[in-house]
Amino acid sequence: GAGVSQSPSNKVTEKGKDVELRCDPISGHTALYWYRQSLGQGLEFLIYFQGNSAPDKSGLPSDRFSAERTGGSVSTLTIQRTQQEDSAVYLCASSRMSQIQYFGAGTRLSVL
Amino acid sequence: QQQVKQSPQSLIVQKGGISIINCAYENTAFDYFPWYQQFPGKGPALLIAIRPDVSEKKEGRFTISFNKSAKQFSLHIMDSQPGDSATYFCAASKGGSYIPTFGRGTSLIVHP
Repeated sequence: GAGVSQSPSNKVTEKGKDVELRCDPISGHTALYWYRQSLGQGLEFLIYFQGNSAPDKSGLPSDRFSAERTGGSVSTLTIQRTQQEDSAVYLCASSRMSQIQYFGAGTRLSVL
Repeated sequence: QQQVKQSPQSLIVQKGGISIINCAYENTAFDYFPWYQQFPGKGPALLIAIRPDVSEKKEGRFTISFNKSAKQFSLHIMDSQPGDSATYFCAASKGGSYIPTFGRGTSLIVHP
């Protein structure tokens, strides 16, 4: 695809449910990032994948959050037992081993 | 601990005016300073970036000024246009790490 694709664009869920957010990076980009964007809080780093290396999970806020990247391409961010404070826009970005990141449009998660 | 402090949080400018957004950082190891522009419902997109070996970089109406001794950098938007209305994020990253630290963002509104 031409850019980073994220799905769904919007997700409404009930507190306590699990959700999966998907990211399709730009073809050929070896690096993939997940961020959380809350109102007025900027971009909070969550996790970083680079090629076949072990992911940098230092930004994950709790053990309810996890992510995987299959075949060095598509990534899924999973949030278990969602809480209201998880409501935010989740952004994915990819990069070709450079400091320039290309972002998707994000998934807006609302936990009721 | 916020390593990149961005101000102001919001900015209103008249068409044709100059918009100025400032960022300050703490980590002297940072060596790449990008600015991202985000329109509502979209992901951030790289606008302009600078490295500390230059004090200024200009691309069209957008200029980054960099003050290494003060650990500050700023974005100037000359002849601001209503189409520039967006949220702007500064960021900083250090060599060997492709995980940037973002400022909290500035919401810019340019009145026609």
